[in-house]
Amino acid sequence: GAGVSQSPRYKVAKRGQDVALRCDPISGHVSLFWYQQALGQGPEFLTYFQNEAQLDKSGLPSDRFFAERPEGSVSTLKIQRTQQEDSAVYLCASSLAQVGLAYEQYFGPGTRLTVT
Amino acid sequence: QKEVEQNSGPLSVPEGAIASLNCTYSDRGSQSFFWYRQYSGKSPELIMSIYSNGDKEDGRFTAQLNKASQYVSLLIRDSQPSDSATYLCAVKSARQLTFGSGTQLTVLP
Repeated sequence: GAGVSQSPRYKVAKRGQDVALRCDPISGHVSLFWYQQALGQGPEFLTYFQNEAQLDKSGLPSDRFFAERPEGSVSTLKIQRTQQEDSAVYLCASSLAQVGLAYEQYFGPGTRLTVT
Repeated sequence: QKEVEQNSGPLSVPEGAIASLNCTYSDRGSQSFFWYRQYSGKSPELIMSIYSNGDKEDGRFTAQLNKASQYVSLLIRDSQPSDSATYLCAVKSARQLTFGSGTQLTVLP
């Protein structure tokens, strides 16, 4: 079946622009996560949704970052007034649930954001 | 102190050898542990999950977990050049995964 999809795959933004990154999880997956990955590092947690509820946004680096999942399926990560330090790969992952084997998270291809 | 530690490598092994990748974690309450493989320019791909102490084998891969020592490892038997990638250890803490920085593995033909 289809995996997690993300768009756009690449985004170049001028400093100060707003960007919106989209994630379409695996069908039926309840949980959705956003991570940020800098070059040479492991992914860092940003935020988590269970269905449409954002249950944890403790990893969002500033109030310029905002995420939503209004219908419990597709999610959008929005970054306002982008800064150079926002340049990274933004990864979306989904999982069936939170318990046992159903917890396994599957990642999309990522969006590489470059802020110039 | 980083919560999940891995040797960054690079680790080089000859084709056909066993590659051994190690990971330690700080949260004693962690219950779920994962290994992801990440090729250059690609996203992480789940290759193993382990929840109980001991060994779990899947094909050429064996994950080992020792909760008392807070240690997870991944063994890759009969290593192939196509195994050359960065291997990320991930530990479930709260709801999200906490990742190590990854170990870069190169399998030499």
